[in-house]
Amino acid sequence: GDSVTQTEGLVTLTEGLPVMLNCTYQTIYSNPFLFWYVQHLNESPRLLLKSFTDNKRTEHQGFHATLHKSSSSFHLQKSSAQLSDSALYYCALSDYVVGYNQGKLIFGQGTKLSIKP
Amino acid sequence: NAGVIQTPRHKVTGKGQEATLWCEPISGHSAVFWYRQTIVQGLEFLTYFRNQAPIDDSGMPKERFSAQMPNQSHSTLKIQSTQPQDSAVYLCASSPRTGQDTQYFGPGTRLLVL
Repeated sequence: GDSVTQTEGLVTLTEGLPVMLNCTYQTIYSNPFLFWYVQHLNESPRLLLKSFTDNKRTEHQGFHATLHKSSSSFHLQKSSAQLSDSALYYCALSDYVVGYNQGKLIFGQGTKLSIKP
Repeated sequence: NAGVIQTPRHKVTGKGQEATLWCEPISGHSAVFWYRQTIVQGLEFLTYFRNQAPIDDSGMPKERFSAQMPNQSHSTLKIQSTQPQDSAVYLCASSPRTGQDTQYFGPGTRLLVL
């Protein structure tokens, strides 16, 4: 079945350093939809990025990611970490197929990002 | 605009009791999803509805969990004979028409089974 694998556990970085959280996926569908959701403490997940287009960079709030179907990857990057980036990050795959279903999200296990001064 | 509304925000039940969780999706959204979040398992899909019809309940524990969407403005998740392992944050999300669209999550109901 469909699955998502992320950088495991806790990633601790110093403010100002680059961020890279890995995400790879498995799916039988040729046109996957990938998402990054961010969840701050005591909040619910909210969308950070999404992509459906191969090899096209998508950006939002300083973060960017590129869907690479050749390597089944959708890594999240940011050039310079900020204290406010500390949160739980989930990579997710939608099982949406045109004309078939609405697309439930299959989440990776989540990566906790902690930024230190 | 109001986001997804979930009630109650917190619920404590004794083992074996029933728990009913409520969700009001964003007006105009046709899809409603239920997820469960725990520290160990992360975010897990439970079930979803499209235009009030159940579409996929593959994530639902079969015997004690049930979900309904009697009208377009609310959905319920019912857990019978709650067990300590049911303790989790239950999240409801809604999205507009297509599967490419963002899912908007509610604040969640934190269920604690003693």
